[in-house]
Amino acid sequence: DIQLTQSPSFLSASVGDSVTITCRASQAISSYLAWYQQKPGKAPELLIYSASTLQSGVPSRFSGSGSGTEFTLTISSLQPEDFATYYCQQLNTYPRTFGQGTKVEIK
Amino acid sequence: EVHLVESGGGLVQPGGSLRLSCEASGFTFSSYSMTWVRQAPGKGLEWVSVIARDGATTYYAESVKGRFTISRDNPKSTLYLQMNSLRAEDTALYYCAKKMNSGTFPLDNWGQGTLVTVSS
Repeated sequence: DIQLTQSPSFLSASVGDSVTITCRASQAISSYLAWYQQKPGKAPELLIYSASTLQSGVPSRFSGSGSGTEFTLTISSLQPEDFATYYCQQLNTYPRTFGQGTKVEIK
Repeated sequence: EVHLVESGGGLVQPGGSLRLSCEASGFTFSSYSMTWVRQAPGKGLEWVSVIARDGATTYYAESVKGRFTISRDNPKSTLYLQMNSLRAEDTALYYCAKKMNSGTFPLDNWGQGTLVTVSS
């Protein structure tokens, strides 16, 4: 199985900050990576797929990049509604594994 | 608008069985692969299983292989997960989710989940 490792696991930031989350795959997955946002008590929501394609309706302050084994999710100018947990998921092979998550909290 | 509503969760003893259902609406159910994802209390997401549009192809996580069976009834727009030989570590909120498209595409719509608790 492909393992995904996110860093950091926890991030404290202020409104207006720019933050970057990294997702590393244990083997190359081309650009077959998605990012999800999950708020407490809610189901995950798709943010980005194919490493850098923004899902319809997602604000442009979210962006993704990378290919192969290293990927990043960047949130420019954090907004209060962005404080949540973020997960990456590889879409290259089954099982479609998730990273362990990165919790973004208010400083 | 896509709606996915899970049901069938509850408290079950170790070794027991449960069948989860996911009723879909707002899209042509038979045109999309469907997935189950679970989340243990306070933990991250774990991909469980996927089924192709026609039900002919399925994949499972190693942790549930041989114990869980995914299936679908396209005329009823319903997805199922039959869970047998349940263990304490199967305790989780189980989400059904729709794949955006066949192939290397993500999960673009999720239900709100149904809670399964395995305990004596």
